[in-house]
Amino acid sequence: GAGVSQSPRYKVTKRGQDVALRCDPISGHVSLYWYRQALGQGPEFLTYFNYEAQQDKSGLPNDRFSAERPEGSISTLTIQRTEQRDSAMYRCASSLGTASEAFFGQGTRLTVV
Amino acid sequence: AQKITQTQPGMFVQEKEAVTLDCTYDTSDQSYGLFWYKQPSSGEMIFLIYQGSYDEQNATEGRYSLNFQKARKSANLVISASQLGDSAMYFCAMRADTGANSKLTFGKGITLSVRP
Repeated sequence: GAGVSQSPRYKVTKRGQDVALRCDPISGHVSLYWYRQALGQGPEFLTYFNYEAQQDKSGLPNDRFSAERPEGSISTLTIQRTEQRDSAMYRCASSLGTASEAFFGQGTRLTVV
Repeated sequence: AQKITQTQPGMFVQEKEAVTLDCTYDTSDQSYGLFWYKQPSSGEMIFLIYQGSYDEQNATEGRYSLNFQKARKSANLVISASQLGDSAMYFCAMRADTGANSKLTFGKGITLSVRP
């Protein structure tokens, strides 16, 4: 596609529910990144993939968070048993390779009530 | 580990003037890239400019230039001829070019306000 697409744009969920956030990267982009951004702060790294391989998941805060990219294109970030502290903007970015600039999607604003 | 530091408080600039946004970094990697992103109130993250650590010349993209001083570990963004649409939050970021460790590390950001 023309840009990185994330869905949904907004998600309100009740505490304890599971949520799945989707990222569709720019066509042909090898690397895909997930970030979380609190209001007024810089994006915080969560995890990234090269093709379908998850290269680094050191930023995932705990085992309720997981991500996959099974066919090396679309990725899903899943948060199980959501908590209020999970409320944030979740951003996805993709790049041609590890030495290229990364382009971000519009983000998913998650609110846990 | 990589670290980006952006310590300026909110910045103000008069329309049509130039402004410099500061960024310092820390890394033990020999090869790395430095990035600046713009985040307007709409929330999108817009890539502005990239500088490789081995690039001898400072990067420029239109009204944006990156003042790269490797010995000082600084990568300041210079915006010339500011426009009202430049009002936004600006993030400096870096990434090691080591293949397996290519996550972008961001600073806390700087808010720029352009006055008419």
